[in-house]
Amino acid sequence: DVKVTQSSRYLVKRTGEKVFLECVQDMDHENMFWYRQDPGLGLRLIYFSYDVKMKEKGDIPEGYSVSREKKERFSLILESASTNQTSMYLCASTGTGIDEQYFGPGTRLTVT
Amino acid sequence: GEDVEQSLFLSVREGDSSVINCTYTDSSSTYLYWYKQEPGAGLQLLTYIFSNMDMKQDQRLTVLLNKKDKHLSLRIADTQTGDSAIYFCAESYGGYQKVTFGTGTKLQVIP
Repeated sequence: DVKVTQSSRYLVKRTGEKVFLECVQDMDHENMFWYRQDPGLGLRLIYFSYDVKMKEKGDIPEGYSVSREKKERFSLILESASTNQTSMYLCASTGTGIDEQYFGPGTRLTVT
Repeated sequence: GEDVEQSLFLSVREGDSSVINCTYTDSSSTYLYWYKQEPGAGLQLLTYIFSNMDMKQDQRLTVLLNKKDKHLSLRIADTQTGDSAIYFCAESYGGYQKVTFGTGTKLQVIP
């Protein structure tokens, strides 16, 4: 019954490292999203993609990039990780129905 | 820009009703949502309401929408310990289901 998976549950990286977070969905959804979740701030949209090779900036894209080479996979890239990118990262995919929304379990990233 | 606000914490006794409140600023919202996040998990869509509705009931869940005051609430009847989680209010408009989330309310259910 797995729908949205994320490559790691916990990740520890050093400042300046390049970090890849992978998200895979098995529902043939067009739309995929990356959010970060911080206490007291809720979820904030980083990037989203509505088709292969298409991407749109969300509310907080600075310091991040994304890649969508295949429909089922959406990657979030931190080119040079910084301590203020320590957070929980959540991936989501949505279908055409309003209730077709699925989130991955999240990746807790710590940058030291 | 859009802004969705919630109180951060709510504590209720098992068996009581819980009411989680949310205010939003974007009057052009199409849908409003409630999500549940259990510890260590991603979000799960609990229920949603279309902006031209006032109320929606789904088993123990009742959603009330006051468009005039831009106020959304989620009532959980007969709250159980399994309802302990963070609840997010959210809104969307336009295509691609781009959703703006609130800050989340942590519900603690006391046995």
